[in-house]
Amino acid sequence: QAGLTQPPSVSMGLGQAATLTCAGDSNNVGHEGAAWLQQHQGHPPKLLSHRTNSRPSGISERFSASRSGNTASLTITGLQPEDEAVYYCSAWDRRLHDRLFGGGTKLTVL
Amino acid sequence: QVQLQESGPGLVKPSETLSLTCTVSGGSLSSGAYYWSWIRQHPGKGLEWIGYLYYSGTTYYNPSLESRLTISVDTSKNQLSLILRSVTAADTAVYYCGNGEEGFDYWGQGTLVTVSS
Repeated sequence: QAGLTQPPSVSMGLGQAATLTCAGDSNNVGHEGAAWLQQHQGHPPKLLSHRTNSRPSGISERFSASRSGNTASLTITGLQPEDEAVYYCSAWDRRLHDRLFGGGTKLTVL
Repeated sequence: QVQLQESGPGLVKPSETLSLTCTVSGGSLSSGAYYWSWIRQHPGKGLEWIGYLYYSGTTYYNPSLESRLTISVDTSKNQLSLILRSVTAADTAVYYCGNGEEGFDYWGQGTLVTVSS
């Protein structure tokens, strides 16, 4: 089944950088890129980056998105305790006519 | 800034119809080149896109839900609605409405809907 693949978990130290990945194919990530969202437990998701890799107003420069081929990445620099959350990528699939989400990556800040 | 608030019954019986409303303040459902979205999250699971309504009125639905789904708008009330028919326990989830370039810039707080007899 088509979908976006994210590692279930990533752990990095306080102040370090973490790079989260989102693998798709040429019909979704490779075609238009992926958006990135952050979700803290018990809260709605929050948009961190549009598929164009632009940050919405108010989002810290510590969050930066990029894409290489069919894989999108979100890099978080200077990790803070509040960065502990689940991160989702999302992309439109032009073949399926469906909006896909990755399974989410739980980021732990050690 | 756009604010969204979902509302609807917290409990729906199997085979019945789920109806949810998203009330919009600080913005108009008929202006701006934006998507209005419904997204759900099953308990302890990830996000699932339900569908979009583009500001022009065009709708886009998740293919797996399309046969049971209607998303519409009441511009006089500035409300977005979701109707999901013939629900089962698999439709138990927190339902969110959203808005933005890709339907995600602004989110409501979400409303939990449980399907149970």
